[in-house]
Amino acid sequence: AQSVTQPDIHITVSEGASLELRCNYSYGATPYLFWYVQSPGQGLQLLLKYFSGDTLVQGIKGFEAEFKRSQSSFNLRKPSVHWSDAAEYFCAVGENNDMRFGAGTRLTVKP
Amino acid sequence: GAVVSQHPSWVICKSGTSVKIECRSLDFQATTMFWYRQFPKQSLMLMATSNEGSKATYEQGVEKDKFLINHASLTLSTLTVTSAHPEDSSFYICSARVAGDLYEQYFGPGTRLTVT
Repeated sequence: AQSVTQPDIHITVSEGASLELRCNYSYGATPYLFWYVQSPGQGLQLLLKYFSGDTLVQGIKGFEAEFKRSQSSFNLRKPSVHWSDAAEYFCAVGENNDMRFGAGTRLTVKP
Repeated sequence: GAVVSQHPSWVICKSGTSVKIECRSLDFQATTMFWYRQFPKQSLMLMATSNEGSKATYEQGVEKDKFLINHASLTLSTLTVTSAHPEDSSFYICSARVAGDLYEQYFGPGTRLTVT
């Protein structure tokens, strides 16, 4: 069965530091990959998505993600974190008319 | 574009009553809508998938008689929590998919349900 794993439940970084959030998936074929961000009590906002083509994807708010087939990963990165980036981040995979979410990674930003 | 709204944004109801949550696609037609449930500090769990004009498909373990879903038009789906109990308290999020797009979903802002 398909699965999405976000190994890190909680990450704390200092403002201005770089960020990488990990996501691994288990799928039979090339999946459609998404990263969403959720602020407390809010819905989900799409940061970026990968369907095909260039494996390095640029998103909103300065985020990017790289699809690595050999590692079954789609890690989210940002070179310099801002305090407003503190939120919950979800990796999601779509296949067969369906979408499944990882457990989420909570990002805390220290001043 | 591709905005999804939910109403109400939060609701408090007494145990045993029913609550209806609306999900609307504001600027596109959504042949498929999804309902998710999210417990505090947890991920989204898909409850059901609804296609306009047909019965919803429920995920394993979701009681279809308790969570009634109606997708009567291409812009509106409703979730009714019947005979609500405190354990039904949760954050309910809907999403909608544009006709012809197989994978990308647009999410509503969510509805916080508290059953007292």
